[in-house]
Amino acid sequence: DIVLTQSPDSLAVSLGERATINCRSSQSVLYSSNNKDHLAWYQQKPGQPPKLLISWASTRESGVPDRFSGSGSGTDFTLTISSLQAEDVAAYYCQQYYSTPFTFGPGTKVDIK
Amino acid sequence: QVQLQQSGPGLVKPSQTLSLTCAISGDSVSSKIGAWHWIRQSPSRGLEWLGRTYYRSKWTNDYAVSVKSRITINPDTSKNQFSLQLNSVTPEDTAVYYCARQAGSFDIWGQGTVVTVSS
Repeated sequence: DIVLTQSPDSLAVSLGERATINCRSSQSVLYSSNNKDHLAWYQQKPGQPPKLLISWASTRESGVPDRFSGSGSGTDFTLTISSLQAEDVAAYYCQQYYSTPFTFGPGTKVDIK
Repeated sequence: QVQLQQSGPGLVKPSQTLSLTCAISGDSVSSKIGAWHWIRQSPSRGLEWLGRTYYRSKWTNDYAVSVKSRITINPDTSKNQFSLQLNSVTPEDTAVYYCARQAGSFDIWGQGTVVTVSS
């Protein structure tokens, strides 16, 4: 199974400041046939299902604010919130859809400092 | 606009069967592009993928090893929905259960069902 680790477990950032979340995979999720990283980022607020923010490691979903960006390839990935807003308080998860079992990272909780 | 609507009981007795349904609108369970998944979330296990069903030239199911002996995911083309059955449940199966569509990543999720296993 592919194991995803995230760091930090939690972080508190001032409004308007940058938040950076890291995700590391135990093996590469770069699929050679399409040259795409099968890595997604989700945001989850209490009482809600996860919401897809980023797919293919760096492709922002329609309607997702451009302050959210994803980067990285292979085994190391980053989600960046360039200017934290109050509505961004949530847990964030990375997920690999390269191979079954599809696995999720343990999550990073983002709060306001 | 694709939506997934979950239904099923929130309380199941130990040793019994957990049964949930996910009704699809705006897409087809028989889609040759998508796949249909069940995921659960608990404080102890985090987000845990349970399994999927999808159709290409035939129906295929994949299940997590942790539940493989107890799980069945079935598509229902007549009602455009898919279901989860988890047999012989224990309190460790207490979780929020989600259905989701995979079109690449998991882009559409059901609202979630809180399932408690308790006598």
